[in-house]
Amino acid sequence: SQQGEEDPQALSIQEGENATMNCSYKTSINNLQWYRQNSGRGLVHLILIRSNEREKHSGRLRVTLDTSKKSSSLLITASRAADTASYFCATDPYGNNRLAFGKGNQVVVIP
Amino acid sequence: DTAVSQTPKYLVTQMGNDKSIKCEQNLGHDTMYWYKQDSKKFLKIMFSYNNKELIINETVPNRFSPKSPDKAHLNLHINSLELGDSAVYFCASSLDSGRAQFFGPGTRLTVL
Repeated sequence: SQQGEEDPQALSIQEGENATMNCSYKTSINNLQWYRQNSGRGLVHLILIRSNEREKHSGRLRVTLDTSKKSSSLLITASRAADTASYFCATDPYGNNRLAFGKGNQVVVIP
Repeated sequence: DTAVSQTPKYLVTQMGNDKSIKCEQNLGHDTMYWYKQDSKKFLKIMFSYNNKELIINETVPNRFSPKSPDKAHLNLHINSLELGDSAVYFCASSLDSGRAQFFGPGTRLTVL
């Protein structure tokens, strides 16, 4: 079964609003990572959160991890048009970088 | 000063042909990867090399053969291309296990 499955809804928000997306996974993990992919480009790493961490921040990004519920969320605060992209979570069950990616969550920020 | 580069960016070819995609990273990373992203954006790992040694080989047809001449390069050769091979192929690298991966810009392969 596929690890790292984001909520399938596409998200369309106004600039300045916050965007939240969720990811659930099925097995235990060593770490969970979030990536962004702009249209026609490669993936860009955003945040890595380890299994013993509950929350992590990076600029306008906030990631939470709940290992008891096997879920993670990514919050983008004060969104900008440049945040328009697909966001992927990826789990690394064994810490050996065999990442399993979710299906991606499309976010559109309207200027 | 691109960190992970791939060539070509686009590749259009006929069924049955053999083609190669090249990847280079100048980050000094030890581990490199090949991923396939299908038309629905699903991304799946194909191979991983650590210091020129194969460490991950997912269930990929043996028409796909990775080659790592040194730890900065990981090329992907595909024999007897099929329609289902059409996808975007991404190369990535990381410092070591359990770390962030840095992706190349992708190679869009179209098999006619």
